[in-house]
Amino acid sequence: AQKVTQAQTEISVVEKEDVTLDCVYETRDTTYYLFWYKQPPSGELVFLIRRNSFDEQNEISGRYSWNFQKSTSSFNFTITASQVVDSAVYFCALSDPTGTASKLTFGTGTRLQVTL
Amino acid sequence: DGGITQSPKYLFRKEGQNVTLSCEQNLNHDAMYWYRQDPGQGLRLIYYSQIVNDFQKGDIAEGYSVSREKKESFPLTVTSAQKNPTAFYLCASRLGGIDYGYTFGSGTRLTVV
Repeated sequence: AQKVTQAQTEISVVEKEDVTLDCVYETRDTTYYLFWYKQPPSGELVFLIRRNSFDEQNEISGRYSWNFQKSTSSFNFTITASQVVDSAVYFCALSDPTGTASKLTFGTGTRLQVTL
Repeated sequence: DGGITQSPKYLFRKEGQNVTLSCEQNLNHDAMYWYRQDPGQGLRLIYYSQIVNDFQKGDIAEGYSVSREKKESFPLTVTSAQKNPTAFYLCASRLGGIDYGYTFGSGTRLTVV
């Protein structure tokens, strides 16, 4: 069975601090995709990034960066110089094998609170 | 603009009543999904549909029903058999393979009173 663990339930930081959100996953598949979504107070989940299991390159997009390490089954997300607008719940998710229903298994989420 | 519309945003239901949550998309996506979100439990899959007139149970389908008569629409009915229906419900759709990821609606918050 697939599983996604986000051990950090809630994180509070002061604006301009860097923060890393952890994600550890379990799967028996060799081909899979990992995702990060942001859920602001409005409720809608916003797609942030997708990474396939064969691409271990780290990625940077503005203040966001992702560190994917298959050796430790982790896909961590770092926000540099956090801002109040980053306050949200962040979900890590894992796909089922390619070619099936492509369901996503979500972690329980990490609530990030950025204060002035 | 294309997207997913969920209605209503807030819904109150009396115990013992069925209620239907609406989900409409104009993205021409093939697959649609319903997730339930409870505090501290993340998102759990209720039902999903890959094509019209076909749908499958997810991890927590008991007490729920769906239909997929049109590509654009995937309504979810919360029946009186659902023991604890108070939750936030999210609808999502996906164009093709899993590499496309999901597009989500803004959710419906259901409260049983």
